[in-house]
Amino acid sequence: DAGITQSPRHKVTETGTPVTLRCHQTENHRYMYWYRQDPGHGLRLIHYSYGVKDTDKGEVSDGYSVSRSKTEDFLLTLESATSSQTSVYFCAISEEGDNSPLHFGNGTRLTVT
Amino acid sequence: AQSVTQLGSHVSVSEGALVLLRCNYSSSVPPYLFWYVQYPNQGLQLLLKYTTGATLVKGINGFEAEFKKSETSFHLTKPSAHMSDAAEYFCAVSERGTGNQFYFGTGTSLTVIP
Repeated sequence: DAGITQSPRHKVTETGTPVTLRCHQTENHRYMYWYRQDPGHGLRLIHYSYGVKDTDKGEVSDGYSVSRSKTEDFLLTLESATSSQTSVYFCAISEEGDNSPLHFGNGTRLTVT
Repeated sequence: AQSVTQLGSHVSVSEGALVLLRCNYSSSVPPYLFWYVQYPNQGLQLLLKYTTGATLVKGINGFEAEFKKSETSFHLTKPSAHMSDAAEYFCAVSERGTGNQFYFGTGTSLTVIP
């Protein structure tokens, strides 16, 4: 398995509180991604990074921010959590090259009450 | 933007029967193609991928997929379903020259009936 660790694995938080999810990789891959998975929507890209301090928005980036200060760590922050952000969040990594597949972490289940 | 269509959000097959999960993509330029499997409470695991060369690709767990350019399809098959194949399956594409941009289908949940 690719060395990807997501933390925490489960979190329950209240509406309006900030939340940070962490993704840590040991593969030294250039690309890192945050997806959310919701029933009927499959996986939707939130943000991705193509290098340290280089990030870009995905299709559902509103309400989320990211940071990548080291190759191995990619943080996803919900500045003020809302119930619509209740979801399962997956981190993925890939090597450079369009034909390089994604490798996924085991996910973080976030519930916003 | 690229779109990926997986026909049938739920598929049921009997144990030992053929598994066929459908995937079509939208771009006129053939992308790189991937199938992933997701077991409950786990992340997605790569089953197989097509990049170049032979259009019939073999993956793990006895699955294979065939790239058909004329049909813009990359259907996933397995000759004989096993109970352990019950999972969610996702088709994904990466467009050439886009810098590691991936697009996913909405997934197909496979149920295997004993």
